[in-house]
Amino acid sequence: KQEVTQIPAALSVPEGENLVLNCSFTDSAIYNLQWFRQDPGKGLTSLLLIQSSQREQTSGRLNASLDKSSGRSTLYIAASQPGDSATYLCAGAFSGTYKYIFGTGTRLKVLA
Amino acid sequence: DGGITQSPKYLFRKEGQNVTLSCEQNLNHDAMYWYRQDPGQGLRLIYYSQIVNDFQKGDIAEGYSVSREKKESFPLTVTSAQKNPTAFYLCASSHPGNTIYFGEGSWLTVV
Repeated sequence: KQEVTQIPAALSVPEGENLVLNCSFTDSAIYNLQWFRQDPGKGLTSLLLIQSSQREQTSGRLNASLDKSSGRSTLYIAASQPGDSATYLCAGAFSGTYKYIFGTGTRLKVLA
Repeated sequence: DGGITQSPKYLFRKEGQNVTLSCEQNLNHDAMYWYRQDPGQGLRLIYYSQIVNDFQKGDIAEGYSVSREKKESFPLTVTSAQKNPTAFYLCASSHPGNTIYFGEGSWLTVV
C-alpha cells in the first residue's frame, strides 16, 4: 500500500531560523511530489512540484528535494518569518495512477 | 480569474438528508478530485475523475456519489448512507501528472 508520512506533526521555531520539513513515502515508483501550504480553514496552496526526473526545485526562500531511492523529500525554508506559520503538506502521485496521496502535515509556528 | 470555485462555503445537513457540494473549474483541467479533511488530519480521497463521464472511487467512497457530465464540473453528493459526514471537503483539479490546484473548501455539519 502506498503511504506518505510527515514527521514531526508540529514544529515551533524562532523567527529567522532555517528549517527542514520531512516527507517520506513507501513506493519508489513515484511520478511526482508536491508540497502545499494550508492556512486554518482554507484550501491548499501549491508551493513546489518535483517531477520524478528532478532532484530539487526552488522558489524564493523555499527549496524542495526528492530522493526516490530512499523514499524521502524535504522542504527547506530559509530565514523563517511569522507569516510562514501554517500547515505544510506533501503529496505523492505514483506510477499507474493519477491520484495524489497526502501526508498528515506538519503544523509550523514561527515565533516573532 | 482562473481557478476552482466551491459552493456553498458552509452547509448544514439534517439526519437522513442528501446534500450536494458544487465544484466548478475554468482551468481546462482533465482531472478533478474530491478530498475529505478531518481536524488535525491529512486529506483522504473520496472520488476522482480523469475524463468526462468517467470517475473512480478513492479510499473512502462509501456514502458519497459524484457525476462528471461536463469537463468543468464535478459535484459531490453526500448521501444519508454517510454516517459521519461532518468534515471539510476540498475539490481539486489538474492536468494528469502536473500541479494540482485546490478550491477554498466547503464545511459540512450535521445538525
